[in-house]
Amino acid sequence: DQQVKQNSPSLSVQEGRISILNCDYTNSMFDYFLWYKKYPAEGPTFLISISSIKDKNEDGRFTVFLNKSAKHLSLHIVPSQPGDSAVYFCAAFGNQFYFGTGTSLTVIP
Amino acid sequence: DSGVTQTPKHLITATGQRVTLRCSPRSGDLSVYWYQQSLDQGLQFLIQYYNGEERAKGNILERFSAQQFPDLHSELNLSSLELGDSALYFCASSVDPGGAAGELFFGEGSRLTVL
Repeated sequence: DQQVKQNSPSLSVQEGRISILNCDYTNSMFDYFLWYKKYPAEGPTFLISISSIKDKNEDGRFTVFLNKSAKHLSLHIVPSQPGDSAVYFCAAFGNQFYFGTGTSLTVIP
Repeated sequence: DSGVTQTPKHLITATGQRVTLRCSPRSGDLSVYWYQQSLDQGLQFLIQYYNGEERAKGNILERFSAQQFPDLHSELNLSSLELGDSALYFCASSVDPGGAAGELFFGEGSRLTVL
């Protein structure tokens, strides 16, 4: 049973525009959410996180929004750059980390 | 460089065989996690160890086993291999057992191909 879902396998965005990656979860007991970025032939690397007591966390061009009532998480990248092209994994922490299936972002120059 | 080291990076073997994947966590990290990523799949949690003890278990097959040694490195043993075991196996480490205070640091993965 997939407790964290990323329903969009891929996303293409023009350079300079906003990229919005979405994530849904099923367990209301999750208390910590994270986004990881993965380049080919590398392991995932931490990007940004948010605690369940917050609804927004910003770090430079990256902002994560949390809507607990909808059990929905999103990552906004503004402005998008070609180097942002990667697979993005959403993760939630309860008693362990649960990962989504990833969204492959392509930023077109 | 995450500080997490996994060996081997690539491994090709035949069905029915047994392999061992090795992971050295970041210096100071006590928790080690193993994840499996199959084609078009997310990161499936297999098992977690904290300071030598099994902490949490995910969807790990009975043919698979793991352990964490006193020096904190960990090994994932995969036996009676099947074609479907072909995947990328990631090790990750964190400072605390829950990991909630921070994030997981991932190694580059071990790509297993079973022919």
